[in-house]
Amino acid sequence: EDKVVQSPLSLVVHEGDTVTLNCSYEVTNFRSLLWYKQEKKAPTFLFMLTSSGIEKKSGRLSSILDKKELFSILNITATQTGDSAVYLCAVAHSGGSNYKLTFGKGTLLTVNP
Amino acid sequence: SAVISQKPSRDICQRGTSLTIQCQVDSQVTMMFWYRQQPGQSLTLIATANQGSEATYESGFVIDKFPISRPNLTFSTLTVSNMSPEDSSIYLCSVDRSAGAFFGQGTRLTVV
Repeated sequence: EDKVVQSPLSLVVHEGDTVTLNCSYEVTNFRSLLWYKQEKKAPTFLFMLTSSGIEKKSGRLSSILDKKELFSILNITATQTGDSAVYLCAVAHSGGSNYKLTFGKGTLLTVNP
Repeated sequence: SAVISQKPSRDICQRGTSLTIQCQVDSQVTMMFWYRQQPGQSLTLIATANQGSEATYESGFVIDKFPISRPNLTFSTLTVSNMSPEDSSIYLCSVDRSAGAFFGQGTRLTVV
């Protein structure tokens, strides 16, 4: 069974802290791993990772993928209250003619002032 | 990225009725995806909509309950039929681009 596991499920930090969110996966025919930020309804795309060891960076956010150990991390440095959200990890994979995303349960990040 | 317009944004519906959700994409795509996010849960794929063929449904989802239309390469609809309170969820459409997968604004459905 395809699965994506995120940890921790929730995290409370103070502004300025650095956080690391984890995502491990077991899927058939891996294509890519994606990170999203969800504040209200729609997940907002952050990163797509396809190759091991290559860090993707956008401002204070960065992410890296390890395809050998089947996991990814999302780092947020100098956190701000606006970073408070659910962070979702999803893995794109395919089997035959089917392509789909399998999502983890998410990490609820709360950044306190 | 992709510009995806989804409507309605939210609705409150009576049990036993049906609601059709629309999704319009700014450019042609082969596949469109429909997801459900129940309260406190993550996203679950309902079905994949291909233009010119019947949608492919995931385990636990059936066409009679969630009929899908895909009349062209930029538009799709999902209908939630004969609704019950258990159908209260956020429904999302999504498309795949080479740079990633992108979502519409979502529809928050409450069934009373």
